[in-house]
Amino acid sequence: EVQLVESGGGLVQPGGSLRLSCAASGFTFSSYWMSWVRQAPGKGLEWVANIKQDGSEEYYVDSVKGRFTISRDNGKNSLFLHMNSLRVEDTAVYYCARAGPSAGDKSPGTYWGQGTLVTVSS
Amino acid sequence: SYELTQPSSVSVSPGQTARITCSGDVLAKKYARWFQQKPGQAPVLVIYKDNERPSGIPERFSGSSSGTTVTLSISGAQVEDEADYYCYSAADNNRVFGGGTKLTVL
Repeated sequence: EVQLVESGGGLVQPGGSLRLSCAASGFTFSSYWMSWVRQAPGKGLEWVANIKQDGSEEYYVDSVKGRFTISRDNGKNSLFLHMNSLRVEDTAVYYCARAGPSAGDKSPGTYWGQGTLVTVSS
Repeated sequence: SYELTQPSSVSVSPGQTARITCSGDVLAKKYARWFQQKPGQAPVLVIYKDNERPSGIPERFSGSSSGTTVTLSISGAQVEDEADYYCYSAADNNRVFGGGTKLTVL
């Protein structure tokens, strides 16, 4: 069974940093692109970043470029999102998502975690 | 960057066909996906490549495309289909969701 479990969310002050993790199981993690998608309270979905199977390519939405870094550890079946210079508007539930349905896809597919809440507030 | 535009809400009675549109220039040359999200839950992929249905998604969900508009149709909508629906597409290295449509079935 495919499982994605996020962790690392919490309350952080504006300008602070946080690292989110996503533990993957039930599939060959190194065969799939992975993404982070966020959802501000009461708002819609926003794609944040994605990373290639071997970590050689990574892409970001304009609003987080230079502040967030996506990374992965295929040996530990884990995806990360390093968030720096956090702003109030970064407050959201952050989901990790596996690309799919096929291994060649780059976009979020069938499998998502349940999300972790990041609150940026003073 | 580019935008995808959806109606904010659609309402149908049970058993009717619900249609949700998504418009954007990128859709003329790139595939769309549709995600369903119920309150407090993670999104669920219901359509990809404009009209392909992942395994486990009921046949009443279908997708179509014409020019710069894609449409999600739910034939014989059921109360359990009440949810937010988001279209999604990707061009170059940008990925974007539409603003979402709240589907009410009552």
